[in-house]
Amino acid sequence: DGGITQSPKYLFRKEGQNVTLSCEQNLNHDAMYWYRQDPGQGLRLIYYSQIVNDFQKGDIAEGYSVSREKKESFPLTVTSAQKNPTAFYLCASSIPGYEQYFGPGTRLTVT
Amino acid sequence: AQRVTQPEKLLSVFKGAPVELKCNYSYSGSPELFWYVQYSRQRLQLLLRHISRESIKGFTADLNKGETSFHLKKPFAQEEDSAMYYCALSGLSYNQGGKLIFGQGTELSVKP
Repeated sequence: DGGITQSPKYLFRKEGQNVTLSCEQNLNHDAMYWYRQDPGQGLRLIYYSQIVNDFQKGDIAEGYSVSREKKESFPLTVTSAQKNPTAFYLCASSIPGYEQYFGPGTRLTVT
Repeated sequence: AQRVTQPEKLLSVFKGAPVELKCNYSYSGSPELFWYVQYSRQRLQLLLRHISRESIKGFTADLNKGETSFHLKKPFAQEEDSAMYYCALSGLSYNQGGKLIFGQGTELSVKP
């Protein structure tokens, strides 16, 4: 299971703290994505990036921030402004318009 | 509005029975439709896409533009088909960024 990795697998934070989730890929894909997965709601797009140094908001970007300084890396920061941050976060990459490859996910719990 | 709807949260069938997971979409343009699957403790992965017209693990899906549907079918369900299934669409324009719009997911349970 190489290709796209996310770390850590589980993350626990106190309310009010920012936290950064890592996503790395070695597939040479230009596009990368962050989704949030909640039971009964499917996957919802947080941010996506089609190319280095560029990214766009998805459907639920409020309270999140990203950077894309390298092609291989697309970290997601969950800020204290995110009202309901406890969730399962999935990162994906692709050649734009082609199949998306998903990472194993990070389960974030904020108490 | 762009939307994917999977009306069933849970679908339970017996081994050997036919299975159909429903997916309806709303999109103003030419979408590409996908089915992704997530087996227990595994990553989300592509099952099939309508453009390729492939049959994967015995599953097929036909795009019906008139009914805006992309239902997933298999004539004889197997226990190993038990998983979470997501229908998704993507705009075919490069400007869409390849981003996917997912349905809510249907959990398929195949009983022995």
